[in-house]
Amino acid sequence: AQKVTQAQTEISVVEKEDVTLDCVYETRDTTYYLFWYKQPPSGELVFLIRRNSFDEQNEISGRYSWNFQKSTSSFNFTITASQVVDSAVYFCALLTSGTYKYIFGTGTRLKVLA
Amino acid sequence: DTGVSQDPRHKITKRGQNVTFRCDPISEHNRLYWYRQTLGQGPEFLTYFQNEAQLEKSRLLSDRFSAERPKGSFSTLEIQRTEQGDSAMYLCASSFSTGVPGANVLTFGAGSRLTVL
Repeated sequence: AQKVTQAQTEISVVEKEDVTLDCVYETRDTTYYLFWYKQPPSGELVFLIRRNSFDEQNEISGRYSWNFQKSTSSFNFTITASQVVDSAVYFCALLTSGTYKYIFGTGTRLKVLA
Repeated sequence: DTGVSQDPRHKITKRGQNVTFRCDPISEHNRLYWYRQTLGQGPEFLTYFQNEAQLEKSRLLSDRFSAERPKGSFSTLEIQRTEQGDSAMYLCASSFSTGVPGANVLTFGAGSRLTVL
């Protein structure tokens, strides 16, 4: 069965702190894709990143970085020097080969306080 | 392009009534998805279309739910005889299929919030 677990329901940090959002996934497939989406208060989910199971290279995009580790089935997301505008719910999602059905985690609500 | 549009944004209805939601995807996108999101949960897959063909339906989609995409452009999601448990945000997303599932990044609309009294 496919499953995505985001154990952190809510995280609060003070602006400029670094914060890591955890994502653990389960799948028996060898080919799969992992995603992070951001859902701001407006409600529209916004794509942040996609990784495939054959590419374990970490990625950095500005203040955002992602750590993909197949050995622990984790795809964690770190925001460096957080800002108030980062406040949102962040979802990790899994897509296995041969299907177009994304499996989302329950999300982590991030509150960045000024 | 204005992105994925959903209408109405909010709908309040009484139990037993029928409701219909409309989604206009990004024009060049050939895949369209419906998801449902309840408070504190992630989006749950309901169904998806490639062009006008409905290719997969979730078991969550009871007989009271029906979705169409008649000309491969906009889509409608109808819920008949609504129940209080249907209260949720109904999200539409679209993508352009390259034949590789993982390459399909979803673009979401802002959602249609349904409240069943």
